[in-house]
Amino acid sequence: GAVVSQHPSWVICKSGTSVKIECRSLDFQATTMFWYRQFPKQSLMLMATSNEGSKATYEQGVEKDKFLINHASLTLSTLTVTSAHPEDSSFYICSARGRLDTQYFGPGTRLTVL
Amino acid sequence: GNSVTQMEGPVTLSEEAFLTINCTYTATGYPSLFWYVQYPGEGLQLLLKATKADDKGSNKGFEATYRKETTSFHLEKGSVQVSDSAVYFCALKLDAGGTSYGKLTFGQGTILTVHP
Repeated sequence: GAVVSQHPSWVICKSGTSVKIECRSLDFQATTMFWYRQFPKQSLMLMATSNEGSKATYEQGVEKDKFLINHASLTLSTLTVTSAHPEDSSFYICSARGRLDTQYFGPGTRLTVL
Repeated sequence: GNSVTQMEGPVTLSEEAFLTINCTYTATGYPSLFWYVQYPGEGLQLLLKATKADDKGSNKGFEATYRKETTSFHLEKGSVQVSDSAVYFCALKLDAGGTSYGKLTFGQGTILTVHP
């Protein structure tokens, strides 16, 4: 079946630093990937839609300059949290759109900003 | 706007008990409806889906019927197992036009724990 990986699975960083999270579709090509954020005991909130070779489309209220998204190939999208602060601590999940418009989800990345 | 509301958890059941997790939705168009499951340490997996009113999605003993008149998509299973312990998410996706096209809107998730 379609597999999506994320790296790292968890990361701790100091306030003010930048963190990059990778999302890879391992056995299929994905022209579209999605980035979500999940707070404890809350739903997944879509942050942005990432399209290969073009700029990402951000949801209302999501800061483009803070959450940089790059989708440079059909199997890789990256999310960079710039100048991270404690309020950015969260669980970040990506998904990749595969065959029949099905979304396949990665296992998530836990970010803790000290 | 579009939204999904799930019954609050956690839900704790004994093995072989009957499961219902309620889900209702609000949508501006004609959504497809989904149930995703997230096992500990894993990503969300599609459990079942229904694309139009009165459709029934089913998989692994779980089923849900798309009820347009009550805007609901309740998840049911007749006899749960310990291995069903997971977080369950109800979601919708608009399939026709608008700025929400193709995007999934999730409920808050319901934690299910099944004891032997």
